[in-house]
Amino acid sequence: EDQVTQSPEALRLQEGESSSLNCSYTVSGLRGLFWYRQDPGKGPEFLFTLYSAGEEKEKERLKATLTKKESFLHITAPKPEDSATYLCAVQNQAGTALIFGKGTTLSVSS
Amino acid sequence: KAGVTQTPRYLIKTRGQQVTLSCSPISGHRSVSWYQQTPGQGLQFLFEYFSETQRNKGNFPGRFSGRQFSNSRSEMNVSTLELGDSALYLCASSLETSTGELFFGEGSRLTVL
Repeated sequence: EDQVTQSPEALRLQEGESSSLNCSYTVSGLRGLFWYRQDPGKGPEFLFTLYSAGEEKEKERLKATLTKKESFLHITAPKPEDSATYLCAVQNQAGTALIFGKGTTLSVSS
Repeated sequence: KAGVTQTPRYLIKTRGQQVTLSCSPISGHRSVSWYQQTPGQGLQFLFEYFSETQRNKGNFPGRFSGRQFSNSRSEMNVSTLELGDSALYLCASSLETSTGELFFGEGSRLTVL
């Protein structure tokens, strides 16, 4: 059964304090791993797609990496506006629907 | 470019009633997916429509149904509402089917009393 586990559930950082969010997955042939950001009262916003182990993607203070069993979302020198829930999802080779993790809620204080 | 529009944004129903939610995708997007989001279960896939055809269906009871119109707009219906159906229902659109790069609306918040 395809499954995604995210940790930690919640993370509090000071502005400028870098950290990483973890997404562990089991999937019957990975077609893609996806990161989304969700602000309170909003729908998820697409951030990155990773297709194969070793791949990395960057956007501003965020960098996503992928291994055969997990993905990390590294946040460098975060700012308060980075506060949100970050969701990880996988899609298997059959191209079925995304399987989402429950997310990590990040709070960055100034 | 307008985003995904969902209506209504908030609604309150009582057990046993039915509800219809509407979704207008981004112009040019032909695929519409529906997800249910709850604090306990997170985001769970309901179904996907592409060119008016259901392409995928999640593990939900038959009380949950949907359809897509020729202009790509979609509706989902939940009949015989239960307390556990209280959730945020999210619609997402994409250019192609079976893609993980989805554009979500802000959701319809359903409360069942």
